[in-house]
Amino acid sequence: GAGVSQSPSNKVTEKGKDVELRCDPISGHTALYWYRQSLGQGLEFLIYFQGNSAPDKSGLPSDRFSAERTGGSVSTLTIQRTQQEDSAVYLCASIPAWGNEQFFGPGTRLTVL
Amino acid sequence: GNSVTQMEGPVTLSEEAFLTINCTYTATGYPSLFWYVQYPGEGLQLLLKATKADDKGSNKGFEATYRKETTSFHLEKGSVQVSDSAVYFCALANQGGKLIFGQGTELSVKP
Repeated sequence: GAGVSQSPSNKVTEKGKDVELRCDPISGHTALYWYRQSLGQGLEFLIYFQGNSAPDKSGLPSDRFSAERTGGSVSTLTIQRTQQEDSAVYLCASIPAWGNEQFFGPGTRLTVL
Repeated sequence: GNSVTQMEGPVTLSEEAFLTINCTYTATGYPSLFWYVQYPGEGLQLLLKATKADDKGSNKGFEATYRKETTSFHLEKGSVQVSDSAVYFCALANQGGKLIFGQGTELSVKP
């Protein structure tokens, strides 16, 4: 079956521009997570959506980062006024209601020049 | 706060050698513990998991036992193969399910 998909797979942008990263979770999965993987910081949690509850934004590094999840499915992570330290691989994962295994997408590699 | 510490890499072994990658954690409550693997050029995949103390997770010849008394979840394999070369991440999850990862250990297996 279809796994978690993310787009674009690669994004190169200039410092100061806004970017949007998209995540399509596995159909029927209730929870969705965003992480980022960078050389200096390893794998870090960013934000978590569970059903209709308020998202857990405790991992977002600054107010330039925001995310939404529309209709309980697709999620978009937005980074405003990108900085070079935002360069990383952004990973999305989803989880079914009945389990605790997170299924990861392939990631979006963001490069800020 | 919650945290995971795993042994630094890179770890270089010969084929058929015994592998141990140490992982210890700090957590409130009773977290679930995981090992994820990232093969070159691929995404993160769950390797094995354990959800309560004394549980043993196993997959593809790898094993790890949830040790509450030592707050550890060490990964072991009796005989590694070249195809096991990858980066291995230990992680925990408790309330809300968000994963806290260790820094990753790169394993390189030589023929």
